[in-house]
Amino acid sequence: DAKTTQPTSMDCAEGRAANLPCNHSTISGNEYVYWYRQIHSQGPQYIIHGLKNNETNEMASLIITEDRKSSTLILPHATLRDTAVYYCIAMSGGYQKVTFGTGTKLQVIP
Amino acid sequence: EAGVVQSPRYKIIEKKQPVAFWCNPISGHNTLYWYRQNLGQGPELLIRYENEEAVDDSQLPKDRFSAERLKGVDSTLKIQPAELGDSAVYLCASSPGGTGANVLTFGAGSRLTVL
Repeated sequence: DAKTTQPTSMDCAEGRAANLPCNHSTISGNEYVYWYRQIHSQGPQYIIHGLKNNETNEMASLIITEDRKSSTLILPHATLRDTAVYYCIAMSGGYQKVTFGTGTKLQVIP
Repeated sequence: EAGVVQSPRYKIIEKKQPVAFWCNPISGHNTLYWYRQNLGQGPELLIRYENEEAVDDSQLPKDRFSAERLKGVDSTLKIQPAELGDSAVYLCASSPGGTGANVLTFGAGSRLTVL
């Protein structure tokens, strides 16, 4: 599975959009991009995933560049409850040896 | 629908003692994972089951760690004897399995402290 690179930490003002970048320059054609987040003292929670097209659900939007070498998770209106560690993962279907890395610690500021 | 259930949530033991963690995955999920998460780090895969078969246990320290998944449903992770460095959160996750996109659902974790 491709390695991903994320900034260690980010701040975002409450109510503003949070844009979390992820680099996955070695991603292969059959690897999906997944985003999870982990709030303190809880297990990671699935947010969204995509293969080639941009995706949106009730939690967030995922923008994948045309060359698929990077992506951005967008939380459109960040709240204090969005403060968490966000993990970007590139993973092929079927085989699930997931390497989480250390993720991005997002701090939403009042 | 109940999520992935883990117990105990917290466990404090002295070194050299045994400890066991239990996981009940989401009904119908064929794939079950055990992860270990050290403080400030991302989760690290210990073992993955497809039904009752362990298909990836390359990261499991086999001298002291063991796991089983009876009847392809519940799973138990055991450490015997525990060492100070085993202090961590042990996470269980499950997924439907198969090809294509495969979303993992995690339990709340079991926090182990070894004194």
